[in-house]
Amino acid sequence: DAGVIQSPRHEVTEMGQEVTLRCKPISGHDYLFWYRQTMMRGLELLIYFNNNVPIDDSGMPEDRFSAKMPNASFSTLKIQPSEPRDSAVYFCASRPGQGALGETQYFGPGTRLLVL
Amino acid sequence: GENVEQHPSTLSVQEGDSAVIKCTYSDSASNYFPWYKQELGKRPQLIIDIRSNVGEKKDQRIAVTLNKTAKHFSLHITETQPEDSAVYFCAAGGGGSYIPTFGRGTSLIVHP
Repeated sequence: DAGVIQSPRHEVTEMGQEVTLRCKPISGHDYLFWYRQTMMRGLELLIYFNNNVPIDDSGMPEDRFSAKMPNASFSTLKIQPSEPRDSAVYFCASRPGQGALGETQYFGPGTRLLVL
Repeated sequence: GENVEQHPSTLSVQEGDSAVIKCTYSDSASNYFPWYKQELGKRPQLIIDIRSNVGEKKDQRIAVTLNKTAKHFSLHITETQPEDSAVYFCAAGGGGSYIPTFGRGTSLIVHP
């Protein structure tokens, strides 16, 4: 398996533009997580899905952020409109959800977002 | 919700020395405690974890200890090497879903 795949790896955009981040979890994993990492706030959980259903989105900073998981192999995190303070590294992670190693999270390579 | 405190934020050691990173948590229901290592520009990767029914776990040069009464757990790295230089995150999670809350991270620097 190729692991968790994220695209794009880098994104530079201007304030006010829409940004869409993409994630393909490891096949067979039941859980998918979106994190944001900054120096100021560390690693923050934004939202997570179980079997494609959003379970907890309390970490989503505001209405400008939205996430979807239309099927088991694809998820998006959208920011509209983007602001400079959204600049961060966004990680997607997945985990099996069952079995002896069900709790182990596997992170994608991240998307480095810069909003000018 | 769970609150995880991690100390120190930066740790500098000489090659061959031991390094200890400590975390405390607030939710007594937490029963899963993973540690992740993140090298510069890379993704966090699990290096070791411990569950509440175990007090200590070792894997070669790394070990974790857990004190459920005091609600703290620690990562111990012996005989440190320059390639151990990275940011280390602790996390705590519990209940049926094991959703972890992460600490703020410790930047470990191992000087050759």
